[in-house]
Amino acid sequence: DIQMTQSPTSLAASVGESVTITCLASEDIYGSLVWYQQKPGKSPQLLIYGATILEDGIPSRFSGSGSDTQYSLKINSLQPEDFASYYCQNGLSTPRTFGGGTKLELK
Amino acid sequence: EVQLVESGGGLVQPGRSLKLSCAASGFTFSNYYMAWVRQAPKKGLEWVATISTSGSRTYYPDSVKGRFTISRDNAKSSLYLQMNSLKSEDTATYYCARVGGSYIYYFDYWGQGVMVTVSS
Repeated sequence: DIQMTQSPTSLAASVGESVTITCLASEDIYGSLVWYQQKPGKSPQLLIYGATILEDGIPSRFSGSGSDTQYSLKINSLQPEDFASYYCQNGLSTPRTFGGGTKLELK
Repeated sequence: EVQLVESGGGLVQPGRSLKLSCAASGFTFSNYYMAWVRQAPKKGLEWVATISTSGSRTYYPDSVKGRFTISRDNAKSSLYLQMNSLKSEDTATYYCARVGGSYIYYFDYWGQGVMVTVSS
């Protein structure tokens, strides 16, 4: 199974700042990396797939990068609605494994 | 508008069974793979099951294989998850999700989730 390791597990930032969350796959997933956002009490929402492709309707302040085993999610100019948990997911193979999550909190 | 509405959750004793349902609307259900993903309280996401468009192929992680069965009724635009031999570690919110993409596998729409509590 491909293991997905996210870092950090939690992160505090202020409105207007930029943050980066990383996701490390235990083996090459050839760019098949997916990012989700989950707000408290809500369902996850698809943000990015294929490591860099922004889902329709997602603001351009979100961006993804990476290849092979190392991937990143960057959020520029944080807005109040961005404080949430973020998860990466292996989109290449079964089982469909997720990272442990990163909780982004308001400083 | 794509909508996925789960039902059937609740409190169940260890070793017993429960069946979840998901009613889909707003898209051609029979054209999409579908899946269940769960989230234990205060924990991360865990993929539980996937079913092909026709229902002929199903996929599970080792943690539920042999105990859970995913199925679908395309005529009713409905997805199901039969959960047998439930354990306390199956306690979670269960989400119905549509599988988007083909080469890259992701969940592009999620239901609101239904809570399953396994406890005596």
